[in-house]
Amino acid sequence: EPEVTQTPSHQVTQMGQEVILRCVPISNHLYFYWYRQILGQKVEFLVSFYNNEISEKSEIFDDQFSVERPDGSNFTLKIRSTKLEDSAMYFCASSDPATGGRDTEAFFGQGTRLTVV
Amino acid sequence: AQTVTQSQPEMSVQEAETVTLSCTYDTSESNYYLFWYKQPPSRQMILVIRQEAYKQQNATENRFSVNFQKAAKSFSLKISDSQLGDTAMYFCAFMVPGGSEKLVFGKGTKLTVNP
Repeated sequence: EPEVTQTPSHQVTQMGQEVILRCVPISNHLYFYWYRQILGQKVEFLVSFYNNEISEKSEIFDDQFSVERPDGSNFTLKIRSTKLEDSAMYFCASSDPATGGRDTEAFFGQGTRLTVV
Repeated sequence: AQTVTQSQPEMSVQEAETVTLSCTYDTSESNYYLFWYKQPPSRQMILVIRQEAYKQQNATENRFSVNFQKAAKSFSLKISDSQLGDTAMYFCAFMVPGGSEKLVFGKGTKLTVNP
């Protein structure tokens, strides 16, 4: 069964450092997403990406964040200068509304736990 | 803006019994999807069941079923014959098709199934 893959599973970084979280979405999917879950809290939408550009972003997704699909298979989230409050679980997801929309389902990766120290 | 409310932070149930998790939402949209996602201790988000707003019939997936009340904007999840493996966080989520199709999640309900 196809799945969304995220690497690394856990990353520890020092405050102020740049991090790149990587995702390989399901190959025939067209929509890609990043969500964030601070420990013990709800899952929050960060950004959606379609047709090689951002289709929507939340107010959390400020200038410190960027996304890229560099090679047609990977989908990355970069945080330029990490802050303590960026510590969270980051989930990548993909979906394929082009299949007809009525079976829309977002498939999630297993998440990357980011710890900023 | 859409909001999703789960009013039960924690619930517990005995194995083999039935439990219902509540979810309400607020939207001005007429066409949308509702989902229940399960997040076990492994933290992966797993889709349990989905409901399309234009369908009056409640969705069912094996032991999982929903009670969708569109006028009341209510979408509860019923788990029958609860199993130890059902222990997890359960998130209700909302999505409007046609745009970015982002999911808006509730805060979750932590369900514990006791032996």
